[in-house]
Formats: sequence, structure tokens, C-alpha cells
Amino acid sequence: NAGVTQTPKFQVLKTGQSMTLQCAQDMNHNSMYWYRQDPGMGLRLIYYSASEGTTDKGEVPNGYNVSRLNKREFSLRLESAAPSQTSVYFCASRTNRPTNYGYTFGSGTRLTVV
Amino acid sequence: AQTVTQSQPEMSVQEAETVTLSCTYDTSENNYYLFWYKQPPSRQMILVIRQEAYKQQNATENRFSVNFQKAAKSFSLKISDSQLGDTAMYFCVLDSNYQLIWGAGTKLIIKP
Repeated sequence: NAGVTQTPKFQVLKTGQSMTLQCAQDMNHNSMYWYRQDPGMGLRLIYYSASEGTTDKGEVPNGYNVSRLNKREFSLRLESAAPSQTSVYFCASRTNRPTNYGYTFGSGTRLTVV
Repeated sequence: AQTVTQSQPEMSVQEAETVTLSCTYDTSENNYYLFWYKQPPSRQMILVIRQEAYKQQNATENRFSVNFQKAAKSFSLKISDSQLGDTAMYFCVLDSNYQLIWGAGTKLIIKP
């Protein structure tokens, strides 16, 4: 099925450990995004990539890095995890087609940092 | 700053009733999109309905419809004939210059 695939779905890290969240889309979208969702809140933008080869900071970029590996893949890396990064992480991609404009989200990664 | 406000943290209605979720927003842009997303306990973010700001006609998708008041910056969601499967968090989202601004969400519970 076409869509956005995120891995892993769950992860527990110790403070100071590093990890990379993977995201891939098969809809040929140019734009991809990483969001975090904290309890009782909407999503907040961490980083985005408007097209292959470009990345930009969002609202809450501190502690994260991203890589737009190719048009399909956009990864999020935590170099030194902190308890404040405990959250649910969503990857999304966006179509520009006027008739079907919108965002498709992955199923999320629940990350716990202890 | 662009903002989205959902003033109802939680609502509950009986199955088959009609319910309206409120949303107000603020932006200085003239062209933008508004969305309602549904997030059930499965955590998946599901698009419910989309509204383009330059279109005066309110969007409808089966049992879901919106009341878009551009001048008042209001974007409410009406769910008709509510079903148990409608139980979820509902987020009002402003898309301006390809940046999504999210409301805090309304938890909707449909009671049998």
C-alpha cells in the first residue's frame, strides 16, 4: 500500500544513547517532515525537507539532526538522547497536487528515554 | 504569530447524535489550507476533511462537514450521525506557507 513507513514503532533508549528514526514514502512527494507529539498537544515541527538535497529547521530542532538520503527517505537522528526527547515522532510527506493537496503521516514512533 | 485554538478539550455525545467541534485560528496570510485530522487510539493521523481558504463553499465528506468563516477565522467541524468509530482526538490544523500549525486537540467520545 502506498504511504509513509516509519521504523521502529517503539524504542527505549538510555540517556546519552543515539539512534536514527527511519522514514520512507513511495508517493513521489518532494516534501517530507518530522514532527513530535507530546501528551495533550498537537504536533510540533522538528525539521523538514522541501526537496531532495535540502533541509530546514522547524520549531523544535535542538538535539536532532536529519538527512534527506534521496527523494524517498528522510531520517531523524538523536545524537545524545535526553529524557525531554521522550515523545511520539511522526514522519509526513506532502503532495502539491491541487486536487488532492495534503499530508500523509506515518504511524509514529513512540520513543522513551530513561 | 500564527495560532490555532480549540476551546473544547473533551466532548461526549450519544451514538447517532450530531456534534460540532470548534476551532479558531489566526494568520495574516490570504491563501492557506485548513484541515481536520483524526487520531484514534491507534495513534495514526487520519485526514478527515480539507478546506481551501479561497473557496467560499464549505467542504463536505460524507458525514463530516465544516463551517468555514474566513472573516471570523473560524473553522468548525460537524459530525452527523456519529458512530462509535468516530471516538478519537480531533485536531484542527492550519497550513500556511507549507507549515502546519496544530491546535491542542479535542477528545471526542461517542457513547453507545
